[in-house]
Amino acid sequence: AQSVTQLDSQVPVFEEAPVELRCNYSSSVSVYLFWYVQYPNQGLQLLLKYLSGSTLVKSINGFEAEFNKSQTSFHLRKPSVHISDTAEYFCAVIPGGAQKLVFGQGTRLTINP
Amino acid sequence: NAGVTQTPKFRILKIGQSMTLQCTQDMNHNYMYWYRQDPGMGLKLIYYSVGAGITDKGEVPNGYNVSRSTTEDFPLRLELAAPSQTSVYFCASSFLTGLNTEAFFGQGTRLTVV
Repeated sequence: AQSVTQLDSQVPVFEEAPVELRCNYSSSVSVYLFWYVQYPNQGLQLLLKYLSGSTLVKSINGFEAEFNKSQTSFHLRKPSVHISDTAEYFCAVIPGGAQKLVFGQGTRLTINP
Repeated sequence: NAGVTQTPKFRILKIGQSMTLQCTQDMNHNYMYWYRQDPGMGLKLIYYSVGAGITDKGEVPNGYNVSRSTTEDFPLRLELAAPSQTSVYFCASSFLTGLNTEAFFGQGTRLTVV
């Protein structure tokens, strides 16, 4: 079965520091990859997605992720974080030919002033 | 733009009671999903539907039932509530075609079984 592993359950960083949230998935012929963000007491919102084409995808608020097929990874990065980025981040995958979204365990990003 | 609407937002149930979590979407999506979220466990798929009249089990279906009589609605039924069903439940809907592939989530239902 397709699985998604987020290697860090919690990541504390200082404001304006860079951050990387790691995500690996089990191999499949083709996959669609997503990062969702959940702010406290809210539902999940799409941050960015990779469906095809350029392996580097970006969000409107400065996050980016790179699809690396050889390493089966889709790590999320931001060069300089803000207090408002405090949230839980979920990596998710739709395996090729599947009809459902499979989530990782989530990474809680905490920004310290 | 309503998107995906879940009701209720909060509920406390006693062991053995039953309830239905409501979910409706106004985006004409063919796919709908129910997930539960437990701390440190991510989101686990309970049931999903690929269209009206078609449903299938996810990873953790035991203790739940669903139906999909219309494209818009996908209710989740708990027949005999148990403490293990204390969780936050999320409904989602999506297209799964090409560049429109993206799931939209409701705000969640926080359920406590005591």
